[in-house]
Amino acid sequence: SYELPQPLSVSVALGQTATITCGGNNIGSKSVHWYQQKPGQAPVLVIYTNSNRPSGVPERFSGSNWGNTATLTISRAQAGDEADYYCQVWDSRTAFGGGTKLTVL
Amino acid sequence: QVQLVESGGGVVQPGRSLRLSCEGSGFPFSNYGMNWVRQAPAKGLEWLARIGHDGALEVYPESVKGRFTVSRDNSRNTLYFQMNSLTFEDTGVYYCARDIWNDGTYYFDYWGPGTLVTVSS
Repeated sequence: SYELPQPLSVSVALGQTATITCGGNNIGSKSVHWYQQKPGQAPVLVIYTNSNRPSGVPERFSGSNWGNTATLTISRAQAGDEADYYCQVWDSRTAFGGGTKLTVL
Repeated sequence: QVQLVESGGGVVQPGRSLRLSCEGSGFPFSNYGMNWVRQAPAKGLEWLARIGHDGALEVYPESVKGRFTVSRDNSRNTLYFQMNSLTFEDTGVYYCARDIWNDGTYYFDYWGPGTLVTVSS
């Protein structure tokens, strides 16, 4: 199955910009989707097809995908952004990254 | 509004079977592919199965193929997941999720709240 390494944890100061990466061999040739999961809750889609935001997701959330790295960027980080974030691709099967825990300091 | 609600979880002994259900409402259920995703305690997400909108195509990862089976009854707006020969490693929260096909890829736009399966002797 397609491997999608993510950093285990990322920390960001309140109001600053957080960057969460998702690696993969030539991942830039695939479409990457991102989910936010808060404790005890189901995942929520925050970015689809690399850089598109579903309705209701703040503009502070953005995505990019190039070469061997896809990136989720959260600008002006808020306490409410603390969560686990997962990347996902479809490569004849669905694959999820291992997840990144975002801490807002 | 779109709602997905799983049921059927509980405590089951190793080696036994369990069938999960997921009822959809607020959208034309028969128009969408559906999936099962699992999350073991304190672990990440693991995709387990996808079934096409009409039930004609099932896809599984190699890790569960032959042991788990996904099906659906569009007349009841319900998705099912039959799990056989359960092991301790099957413990976790099981989510159903609706998928969207876009530009050669699938993503999951709605998820149920999940149902907990505990495999214990």
